[in-house]
Amino acid sequence: SYELTQPPSVSVSPGQTARITCSGDALPKKYAYWYQQKSGQAPVLVIYEDSKRPSGIPERFSGSSSGTMATLTISGAQVEDEADYYCYSTDSSGNQFGGGTKLTVL
Amino acid sequence: EVQLVESGGGLVQPGGSLRLSCAASGFTFSSYEMNWVRQAPGKGLEWVSYISSSGSTIYYADSVKGRFTISRDNAKNSLYLQMNSLRAEDTAVYYCAREDSNYPDYWGQGTLVTVSS
Repeated sequence: SYELTQPPSVSVSPGQTARITCSGDALPKKYAYWYQQKSGQAPVLVIYEDSKRPSGIPERFSGSSSGTMATLTISGAQVEDEADYYCYSTDSSGNQFGGGTKLTVL
Repeated sequence: EVQLVESGGGLVQPGGSLRLSCAASGFTFSSYEMNWVRQAPGKGLEWVSYISSSGSTIYYADSVKGRFTISRDNAKNSLYLQMNSLRAEDTAVYYCAREDSNYPDYWGQGTLVTVSS
């Protein structure tokens, strides 16, 4: 089955740049999407189609994709960005989420 | 405003059944594909099932295939998930999520399903 692999955790200080990666064999051909989930809340889309930002999402959130790896970048991370982040993509075998990355900002 | 409200969760014994509902409002429900996604306690997101806007195309995760059935009633703006032969590992918060161009864009707040004796 299709898998998307993320690091379990990333930690940065406020104001630093956080980068969260997502690797998957289908990513050269399929878009990556990124969701933010804060404790006890439903996921919120922060990046779609590799690098597009939905309205209302701060400009410090950006995305990129190259080869089998997609990257979510938070430039100047804020304390309120502390959350779990999930990548998402699809292939012929179905839809798939990455295992999630816990971002700590302190 | 797009709203998705799940209901029907609760405590059920292993082997039992439960039917989840998702009431949609704020958009033309019949024009959108829909998904169910679940999250076990302390775990990550797991895609469960997909249904096309007309209901003619349906997909399931291998973990629920043959036990869960997704359906929709476009006249009632509602999405359903019939869950049979429930197992302890099905314990999770179940979210319904609208799909837009191959990805979930809006999510409900979820309903908790607990499978335990």
